[in-house]
Amino acid sequence: AQTVTQSQPEMSVQEAETVTLSCTYDTSESDYYLFWYKQPPSRQMILVIRQEAYKQQNATENRFSVNFQKAAKSFSLKISDSQLGDAAMYFCAYRRGSNFGNEKLTFGTGTRLTIIP
Amino acid sequence: GAVVSQHPSRVICKSGTSVKIECRSLDFQATTMFWYRQFPKKSLMLMATSNEGSKATYEQGVEKDKFLINHASLTLSTLTVTSAHPEDSSFYICSAGRLAGVFGHEQFFGPGTRLTVL
Repeated sequence: AQTVTQSQPEMSVQEAETVTLSCTYDTSESDYYLFWYKQPPSRQMILVIRQEAYKQQNATENRFSVNFQKAAKSFSLKISDSQLGDAAMYFCAYRRGSNFGNEKLTFGTGTRLTIIP
Repeated sequence: GAVVSQHPSRVICKSGTSVKIECRSLDFQATTMFWYRQFPKKSLMLMATSNEGSKATYEQGVEKDKFLINHASLTLSTLTVTSAHPEDSSFYICSAGRLAGVFGHEQFFGPGTRLTVL
């Protein structure tokens, strides 16, 4: 079974600074996708960034980027120029690749990010 | 686009009653819908996966007679918590899957429903 591990229950960063959230996963699959989701106090899950396992290039979305190390099964999220609105729970998630569209997401335990003004 | 709604957002009920939660994909047809449960300060736990017109697939340890899932159309899935008890109090989140090009399939999440059983 696939597992996703987030070893940092809580992190904090000064506003405008950079922070990196860690995630490791375990799988025997070769075709899969990795995601970072943000859950603010409203509890609405928001997709931050995603990565296809077959792509070597790290995904980037504005201030958010990932460091995908496939051999090490590591998928960290870097948030640059942290803003107060970035404060939230961040979940790393794994999904097996499929042509059938019904593959489930496996979530890590989450990292609570606090932004210090 | 890709908006998913849930109704109600909050519900309080007495122990022993049943509660129905609706999940709708508002602007797309969902190939698959997923139901999650989230305890305070915890991660999302998948309860079941449902496809339109077929029986839901429940995760190990989830009582299918307790948590009834109906996926009657490509835009609506319902979760009914039968004979609810205080231990069923939780935050329930649905997501709807849509084919999304190279990613094959992407999940869009509803805003969640907070269930409190007295």
